[in-house]
Amino acid sequence: NAGVTQTPKFQVLKTGQSMTLQCAQDMNHNSMYWYRQDPGMGLRLIYYSASEGTTDKGEVPNGYNVSRLNKREFSLRLESAAPSQTSVYFCASTVFTDTQYFGPGTRLTVL
Amino acid sequence: AQKITQTQPGMFVQEKEAVTLDCTYDTSDPSYGLFWYKQPSSGEMIFLIYQGSYDQQNATEGRYSLNFQKARKSANLVISASQLGDSAMYFCAMREGLVDTGNQFYFGTGTSLTVIP
Repeated sequence: NAGVTQTPKFQVLKTGQSMTLQCAQDMNHNSMYWYRQDPGMGLRLIYYSASEGTTDKGEVPNGYNVSRLNKREFSLRLESAAPSQTSVYFCASTVFTDTQYFGPGTRLTVL
Repeated sequence: AQKITQTQPGMFVQEKEAVTLDCTYDTSDPSYGLFWYKQPSSGEMIFLIYQGSYDQQNATEGRYSLNFQKARKSANLVISASQLGDSAMYFCAMREGLVDTGNQFYFGTGTSLTVIP
């Protein structure tokens, strides 16, 4: 059981470039989430998906898109990266009690 | 208004002593869940403890307990017998709405705990 996996672990982009952060879970969880973590800000929810085929905006969705490809996978796309999107990105999935299990994070730097 | 407020940016505790990390929350939904997570310097997020809004008793998990005061909207984490490995960031979080219906989660800004030998 790998739990929640994220790729890549590190990424450096130039302003305006695009990229997709991948997340997969093997725990058969229904709900999946994308967060960003900035110093002094805690975790802020970008998007979430209650089930396959559904997605909803969180607190800070601007500049991002998501795809719930199937029950296992939930990807986050930056179409045109900006320096303000420099952050650590966490994916999470939830068991029926809504306890969230987190991936290891992706450290993204946008120059 | 902030959904989750953690007013202690940094805390120090002597090894083997108990420490309380404060958390207050704001919601008008009668159904919600409260969580504490630990984030060591390595960066991973580790689930510690959960309290549902309808739970009558305070949650406990080993050395962790959650002091749930519903009327005051507080959900403080108590760590007993602190260990050096407890040094980390601690985040309080809340889920609004019924369980397993795909709800938003809100996190506080965290408290950095340092355990002194």
